[in-house]
Amino acid sequence: DAGVTQSPTHLIKTRGQQVTLRCSPKSGHDTVSWYQQALGQGPQFIFQYYEEEERQRGNFPDRFSGHQFPNYSSELNVNALLLGDSALYLCASSLKPDQPQHFGDGTRLSIL
Amino acid sequence: AQSVTQPDIHITVSEGASLELRCNYSYGATPYLFWYVQSPGQGLQLLLKYFSGDTLVQGIKGFEAEFKRSQSSFNLRKPSVHWSDAAEYFCAGGYQKVTFGTGTKLQVIP
Repeated sequence: DAGVTQSPTHLIKTRGQQVTLRCSPKSGHDTVSWYQQALGQGPQFIFQYYEEEERQRGNFPDRFSGHQFPNYSSELNVNALLLGDSALYLCASSLKPDQPQHFGDGTRLSIL
Repeated sequence: AQSVTQPDIHITVSEGASLELRCNYSYGATPYLFWYVQSPGQGLQLLLKYFSGDTLVQGIKGFEAEFKRSQSSFNLRKPSVHWSDAAEYFCAGGYQKVTFGTGTKLQVIP
């Protein structure tokens, strides 16, 4: 039973570029949430997708956007990258929006 | 505002000793509460969760946590720590928009 899988594992971009991160939820899960974890910090909630719609959003600018596909997989897009966007981006999936979340190993994004 | 506080940034314990990691929450009503563990370069693994009912919650790897409404606390405990428990531990709370504490890094010495 595959858990939450994220791709790529590592990514290097430069300021101003755009990036897309991908997430496949755990089998049977229909809800995907995205978090940003800066070095030495706890994860910060970005947004949650359920039924292909953004249901909850944290305190992140519009440069951060997402999408959920009919197969429940999800993408996180970040435009106009800033140095401060360097972080570990974690995807979490759950059976429903208010159920415990299971995390992937994350994508490490470095901005030069 | 909803918040989760972990007062201890770093804790060192000897292998075989008992462990307690502190967590305090601030929510209007009793939220769902969680403890996660993160090893270096890895994602987060759910140790245990509290939704309602019995205030003493058993989790994986021999961990337990006790919800105390009067103290707004949800402390994590383990009676005997193993070297493999060295990691960072996060307390979290919320329903859909989960809020994490800043984490407690656990070091285990022989």
